[in-house]
Amino acid sequence: SQKIEQNSEALNIQEGKTATLTCNYTNYSPAYLQWYRQDPGRGPVFLLLIRENEKEKRKERLKVTFDTTLKQSLFHITASQPADSATYLCAPSFMDSNYQLIWGAGTKLIIKP
Amino acid sequence: NAGVTQTPKFRVLKTGQSMTLLCAQDMNHEYMYWYRQDPGMGLRLIHYSVGEGTTAKGEVPDGYNVSRLKKQNFLLGLESAAPSQTSVYFCASSYSEIYQPQHFGDGTRLSIL
Repeated sequence: SQKIEQNSEALNIQEGKTATLTCNYTNYSPAYLQWYRQDPGRGPVFLLLIRENEKEKRKERLKVTFDTTLKQSLFHITASQPADSATYLCAPSFMDSNYQLIWGAGTKLIIKP
Repeated sequence: NAGVTQTPKFRVLKTGQSMTLLCAQDMNHEYMYWYRQDPGMGLRLIHYSVGEGTTAKGEVPDGYNVSRLKKQNFLLGLESAAPSQTSVYFCASSYSEIYQPQHFGDGTRLSIL
């Protein structure tokens, strides 16, 4: 079965720098992959979706890349701000799982002023 | 915009008691989902529904039942609560099954003593 790995250790970044989060998967490539943000005590909020045939997707200060050779997606936040501090969840969708999302445990991002 | 609303927000049960968690969405979405989130783990799908009157099992369905009598509502039932069901429960909805974001409620924090 597929395993989704995100760095379990918190990522500390200085304000203004670029934060890069990693999502690794095993076996074969997903049909698409989503990234969500989750704040304490709240539900996940959708950020970006990237399809298997796409290399990169952008939305304002956010960028997602997809490398099927490395079996990895990277999530970047440029010009990071303390308000970007949250846990970020990766969720690929695989055809053999009836396209249900398989969720990573998330990486906690802390942006220091 | 209410989006996805979950009730109750918190609940403490004794082992063996039963309860129902309610999820309501006002986005006219066909697809609805129940997840549980435990520390250090990704969201795990309990049950889902592809439309009014339909339900299907997810990854961890044992000990739970669901019903979707109305399109806007998705109920999760625990018939005989067990301490292993202590968790945070999230409901989500989406326009379609694939290539669409999921919209989440803010969760129900359930403790089973």
